Amino acid sequence: EAGVTQFPSHSVIEKGQTVTLRCDPISGHDNLYWYRRVMGKEIKFLLHFVKESKQDESGMPNNRFLAERTGGTYSTLKVQPAELEDSGVYFCASSQGAGTGGLSPLHFGNGTRLTVT
Amino acid sequence: KNQVEQSPQSLIILEGKNCTLQCNYTVSPFSNLRWYKQDTGRGPVSLTIMTFSENTKSNGRYTATLDADTKQSSLHITASQLSDSASYICVVRDDKIIFGKGTRLHILP
Repeated sequence: EAGVTQFPSHSVIEKGQTVTLRCDPISGHDNLYWYRRVMGKEIKFLLHFVKESKQDESGMPNNRFLAERTGGTYSTLKVQPAELEDSGVYFCASSQGAGTGGLSPLHFGNGTRLTVT
Repeated sequence: KNQVEQSPQSLIILEGKNCTLQCNYTVSPFSNLRWYKQDTGRGPVSLTIMTFSENTKSNGRYTATLDADTKQSSLHITASQLSDSASYICVVRDDKIIFGKGTRLHILP
């Protein structure tokens, strides 16, 4: 089966610009997660979709971040306007199973490395 | 304060040697604990899962242990290979998924 794919793999933008990251989960996975890893820090949760619904968006840093999952398939994460502190690696992951307490593993994409200059 | 602490932060060993990575957590209640391997430039990949009632689980040369009383887990790698060079991340689940910072392992030939 195809894994989780993320696009682009790298993005370099200037402060104030807009960037949209895309994630295609494994087919049939209802759960889709966005995470971010800032250099030197642990991977941190941003939000969780179950199908097209936002199950938990408590990790979203502020209203400059907007995530969508239209139709419950792929997801996009838009940052507008980007700030320097938004730099990091943005990971998408998908899983089967119900909720976050389940036994299904997270299947990660290779991430999008975002650099804001 | 992160609820999942890993040690050491980084480790360098010679090919063929064994090593043990540590994970201490304060997450409670506790559903399960996973160890992930993350190669450079790639996403993390699950190695093992431990539930509350499990003490040890093996996956090839990887053996994970769990002490739910002391809230500690370890990942033991036997007969290390160059391909084991990666970051190893401990991830604990309750109603959320909490990541440790990882241990960066370097295997030298």
